[in-house]
Amino acid sequence: GDSVTQMEGPVTLSEEAFLTINCTYTATGYPSLFWYVQYPGEGLQLLLKATKADDKGSNKGFEATYRKETTSFHLEKGSVQVSDSAVYFCALTRSGNTGKLIFGQGTTLQVKP
Amino acid sequence: EAGVTQFPSHSVIEKGQTVTLRCDPISGHDNLYWYRRVMGKEIKFLLHFVKESKQDESGMPNNRFLAERTGGTYSTLKVQPAELEDSGVYFCASSQEWKRSPLHFGNGTRLTVT
Repeated sequence: GDSVTQMEGPVTLSEEAFLTINCTYTATGYPSLFWYVQYPGEGLQLLLKATKADDKGSNKGFEATYRKETTSFHLEKGSVQVSDSAVYFCALTRSGNTGKLIFGQGTTLQVKP
Repeated sequence: EAGVTQFPSHSVIEKGQTVTLRCDPISGHDNLYWYRRVMGKEIKFLLHFVKESKQDESGMPNNRFLAERTGGTYSTLKVQPAELEDSGVYFCASSQEWKRSPLHFGNGTRLTVT
């Protein structure tokens, strides 16, 4: 079945460091890919998405490129801030599916000043 | 607009008891979803309502879980009787039309079964 695998956390970085959170997926067909973020005490928010191969999603300085050849959707940010500390979830949904998301296990990011 | 609201934010119950979680979606959102995250693992889909009808309940773990959506507005998720492995965070999400708009998630209900 469809699945999403994220790198193990927690990830601890200093402010202004470069961030990469790896995400790979297994799915038939052409899924849409998402990154959601959960800040402390809040619900999940959509961070960015990509709906077809080679699409790049971007938001708030974060980027991820849909790589079908490597079945990956790695999240990157050039310079993290303390306010980026959160749990990040990679997810996919099948085309034609009614919004049902399949999530990875989440990666906790802690950014220290 | 008001976001997706979940009640309660936390619930601690003993094994064998009953708990009811509530979700109020964003007004006008026909699609309502329940998800669950157990013990720091991945968030798993439980079920999907379109208005008052269950569109997909393939993720419901067993018959101790009952979800309803009265009149196509708010939804409840009842666990009866609760077991230790039901502990986790239960998220609700809603969307108007999922292909054009993202899912809006609530803050979740943290359920602890002791």
